[in-house]
Amino acid sequence: GAVVSQHPSWVICKSGTSVKIECRSLDFQATTMFWYRQFPKQSLMLMATSNEGSKATYEQGVEKDKFLINHASLTLSTLTVTSAHPEDSSFYICSARGDSRQTQYFGPGTRLLVL
Amino acid sequence: GESVGLHLPTLSVQEGDNSIINCAYSNSASDYFIWYKQESGKGPQFIIDIRSNMDKRQGQRVTVSLNKTVKHLSLQIAATQPGDSAVYFCAEKWSTDKLIFGTGTRLQVFP
Repeated sequence: GAVVSQHPSWVICKSGTSVKIECRSLDFQATTMFWYRQFPKQSLMLMATSNEGSKATYEQGVEKDKFLINHASLTLSTLTVTSAHPEDSSFYICSARGDSRQTQYFGPGTRLLVL
Repeated sequence: GESVGLHLPTLSVQEGDNSIINCAYSNSASDYFIWYKQESGKGPQFIIDIRSNMDKRQGQRVTVSLNKTVKHLSLQIAATQPGDSAVYFCAEKWSTDKLIFGTGTRLQVFP
C-alpha cells in the first residue's frame, strides 16, 4: 500500500519550453501533496504544499508563476515548470499524504534536464 | 528547514554488522519523526516512524530511538546487507504538515 507514481521519470527539453510532471497516489486518496526539489548530494528542499481543490502554498523563494501546481483530484497533482531554463534542471520529487496518515509517501522522482 | 550539504557524512560497515545512523533534529516541539532511505536516482522510501510520546520503536531489522532531552534520533539496522547501501534521511514534523529533512548520511556496506 501507499504507492505514489510520477510521470515522466525523466525529461529533456529546450530552454523556454514548459514541462508538466504528474504525481499520482495509486492506492489511497491524498488530501495533501508536496513537491520537492533535490540537487545532487543534497537533501530535499520543499517547494510547495498543495491541498486538493485549493491553491498551493509555496515556500519562500519559490516562484509561483514559474512552478504551477494543480491538485485537481484526490489522486493527482501536477507541477508545470514554465519557460524552463538550464538552472531549473534538477530532480523533482512529489510526496502524498492521506487524511489518516501523518507519513508522507514519495514518488520515484522526475529528472529534468533543460538544454 | 532547508539543509545543504555537498559532502554527506558516510558510514561504512561490513556486511552482517549492525549499523547506527544518527540525526540531530532542530525543534523541541517536533512531535513526529520519520526515517527515509534513498537509493541513487530514486525517491525516498519510508522505513520507520516514531511519535514523540515514544522512546523506541522496532520494525523489521530496524529500530528507531528517540531522545527528546538532547533532540537526537537514531536508526539501527541489524545484520546490514549490501542492499541497505543508500542515503538515509531523518525528517521531523511539528505544527504544520511540512517535514523538515536532515542533511542525510550515506551508508556503504562492504562484503
